[in-house]
This record gives sequence, structure tokens and C-alpha cells, in this order.
Amino acid sequence: DAKTTQPNSMESNEEEPVHLPCNHSTISGTDYIHWYRQLPSQGPEYVIHGLTSNVNNRMASLAIAEDRKSSTLILHRATLRDAAVYYCILRENYGGSQGNLIFGKGTKLSVKP
Amino acid sequence: DGGITQSPKYLFRKEGQNVTLSCEQNLNHDAMYWYRQDPGQGLRLIYYSQIVNDFQKGDIAEGYSVSREKKESFPLTVTSAQKNPTAFYLCASSTLQGIWLANTEAFFGQGTRLTVV
Repeated sequence: DAKTTQPNSMESNEEEPVHLPCNHSTISGTDYIHWYRQLPSQGPEYVIHGLTSNVNNRMASLAIAEDRKSSTLILHRATLRDAAVYYCILRENYGGSQGNLIFGKGTKLSVKP
Repeated sequence: DGGITQSPKYLFRKEGQNVTLSCEQNLNHDAMYWYRQDPGQGLRLIYYSQIVNDFQKGDIAEGYSVSREKKESFPLTVTSAQKNPTAFYLCASSTLQGIWLANTEAFFGQGTRLTVV
């Protein structure tokens, strides 16, 4: 089962920032927090990942809570092309399922023009 | 360009027939994965392989089989034992960082939509 909890859906206006929350209260110290997004009828696309510190890349920012029990994906200026299902995933570094990506249902982001 | 390729994009088969889905990557990735996605749902892990000639069952392996004879290829066979094979199938690959996978990104193919009639 997925170890993260996300809202089923969120709405945003175009060109405004979007904050997508994710709870992962059972995270272990070596689990990485990954975010992927999926457009309809396409394969998921990597967005960003991190361990403890906040991360930035050209697509988004990842803010990780100090206790690591939650994180937030930040899209700084939403565009219509950002409308997708966003998945927050814990990727384990140890154990039999080391490295596997276990998907939940994700958050469906709608962007209004 | 480097990437991961799934073929075909659409596949139709009659009930009771086995069918093999292709997944090839030229990224030199060690790990490869097969997922199944049903409408409105997230992805579920079928099989995964972290090295050549070795693979492990995921959460829903019943009715499926795989092989990993070459690093770049990880074909999935949907057998007649799979009761509800109609779905969107996705293949992914990931590299190792040392011996670890968690700190690397995964790359996904564009999927194969299988319809069994």
C-alpha cells in the first residue's frame, strides 16, 4: 500500500502558485520523497525528489517539513500544461522493496485559465 | 536520444491468448519495472528487476511473467491466467547510485494499452 496521503483533487488559476500537500507520517530516516506527474494516457514524468533539505529544479520546488512527516510540492506559476495527476511517493533505500515506487491515487490538479 | 520505449502503443487480443509487451531502454539502467494502471487509479507494481537474470514479483504478479536476459530489455507476458488483462501497462527504468536506487529518478515509457475482447 502507498505510504502517503494526498488530497484527491485541487484547483488553481493559471499563473498563480500551487502548493500540493503530501502526508507521510510513517516515513523512515532513509526514505526519499519523490514526486511524479502524469498526463492523461501518458507515462508518469519525474518532477523532483529530496531527503531532508528543500529542493529546487526547473520544474518545481519541494519543501520538506523538519520532522519529514509531510512535504509540499510547489509549482511557482501554474500553466495549463501543469494540469495532471501528481503523485507523492516514498522511495525506500533499504529492505526487500528497495527502490520500488509504490503509487497511491495522487492529486488531480486542474488549472483554470 | 536516450529513453525507454514501449511497443506497441495499442494492442488487441482475444480472450485466452497470451500476449507479450515490449520494453526497451538505452539508458544503461540497472533496474526495470512493470506497472498496471486501471481507469482512474494509480499504478500498481507487477514485476521488477534490479539486475540481469533476476526479477521479483510485485503486488499483482499473478497471471503475468517476465524475463530479463539483457540489461536493456524487460518484456512482460500477459498470460491467459490473468483474469482482467485489459489495462494500461507502463514500463519504467532507474539507475543505481552505488548500490542504491532511492536517490535516483525513474523514467517511464509511454505505455501500452491492452484490450482483450
